[in-house]
Amino acid sequence: QVQLQQSGPGLVKPSQTLSLTCAISGDSVSSDSAAWNWLRQSPSRGLEWLGRTYYRSKWYMDYAVSVKSRITIKPDTSKNQFSLQLNSVTPEDTAVYYCTRAGGRQWLGNFLEYWGQGTLVTVSS
Amino acid sequence: EIVLTQSPGTLSLSPGERASLSCRASQSVPNSYLAWYQQKPGQAPRLLLYGASSRATGIPDSFSGSGSGTDFTLTISRLEPEDFAVYYCQQYGSSPYTFGQGTNLEIK
Repeated sequence: QVQLQQSGPGLVKPSQTLSLTCAISGDSVSSDSAAWNWLRQSPSRGLEWLGRTYYRSKWYMDYAVSVKSRITIKPDTSKNQFSLQLNSVTPEDTAVYYCTRAGGRQWLGNFLEYWGQGTLVTVSS
Repeated sequence: EIVLTQSPGTLSLSPGERASLSCRASQSVPNSYLAWYQQKPGQAPRLLLYGASSRATGIPDSFSGSGSGTDFTLTISRLEPEDFAVYYCQQYGSSPYTFGQGTNLEIK
């Protein structure tokens, strides 16, 4: 059974960096049939896909255009986890952030079967 | 970017009734790569369907999906009390992978 456990601060000051980590159990971040995604949800923006990382003989990352200049998603194979960094945050980045897994035993596309518990991140001074 | 529009915004029905939720895309969704999720308050979304009509593991056959191109439908054949929630569609055929704004299925 795949489980995703999120960790990171719930309060970030404006202009600083939001950092979250997602620890994976029951699967490997290096799986060649999975992709590891970050999303967020807020009343104003709804559900928003932010980006993903995945391994297919080498590591790939792709990001939503809306955050591309500020986001980094990185795998950590030594700890079997992946992380999200979002720079220069503003109050508009206040949201519940989710880590998720797409894929599994075979790659059928980027639909999201497993989700972390969600982390409410508030951007405020 | 593919924009998904869900309708209605709110659907009020009684247990035992049939629900039909619509998801319309601003352009054709490649390969019918359309998923549906259910979300209850305080919880993460739960995958119901992928590929427009394939049920995820553990999803009862009261949930079904149809459609292709730009028009997709989620049908719940007979509503149970636990089915009242918010439902989202997501397209994963073209990056960025976008979601609809949701349909709130509430008890009448």
